[in-house]
Amino acid sequence: NAGVTQTPKFQVLKTGQSMTLQCAQDMNHEYMSWYRQDPGMGLRLIHYSVGAGITDQGEVPNGYNVSRSTTEDFPLRLLSAAPSQTSVYFCASSYEGHYGYTFGSGTRLTVV
Amino acid sequence: RKEVEQDPGPFNVPEGATVAFNCTYSNSASQSFFWYRQDCRKEPKLLMSVYSSGNEDGRFTAQLNRASQYISLLIRDSKLSDSATYLCVVNEAAGNKLTFGGGTRVLVKP
Repeated sequence: NAGVTQTPKFQVLKTGQSMTLQCAQDMNHEYMSWYRQDPGMGLRLIHYSVGAGITDQGEVPNGYNVSRSTTEDFPLRLLSAAPSQTSVYFCASSYEGHYGYTFGSGTRLTVV
Repeated sequence: RKEVEQDPGPFNVPEGATVAFNCTYSNSASQSFFWYRQDCRKEPKLLMSVYSSGNEDGRFTAQLNRASQYISLLIRDSKLSDSATYLCVVNEAAGNKLTFGGGTRVLVKP
């Protein structure tokens, strides 16, 4: 099993550009989440999903969209990139939230 | 007040020594608790869940005190490879929203 796979690993965007961060898991996990990690801020929840077709906002959802058309995939879309979105993004999945989450290796995004 | 608070450290620990640190949480309805380990520029990895009765995994012992709303992690016989940032993580009653503490950095030195 590959676990949680995130692509790309690194990305540089110009202000105003849009892009999609990909996240896929092969563990048949229902729960998936996106986090961003900034120095001094810890990990903060952007959006999460408890199953295909179901998504909800986390702590910092502004500027991001998600969809969950399949159990395996949970892409994160940046609509119009801003320098404040420069961060490391982690996708995570869990069979059921109380059992802990498995994280992908992250995407390092720089917006210039 | 942050929902999950940790002493950022660093805790400088001689190899072979014991180190312990706590994490406090504000939501009394929180249902599940975890310690994650994060190495520099890597993803967080689950170290252990924390159960009400306390639990042990090798050199690591976790405790939960619901009355005072804190969890603790103790590392015995510290190894150089234990150097990392340890993240306290709390899962809300909804079962899916993890809240992370800022992390406690541990440096084990020879």
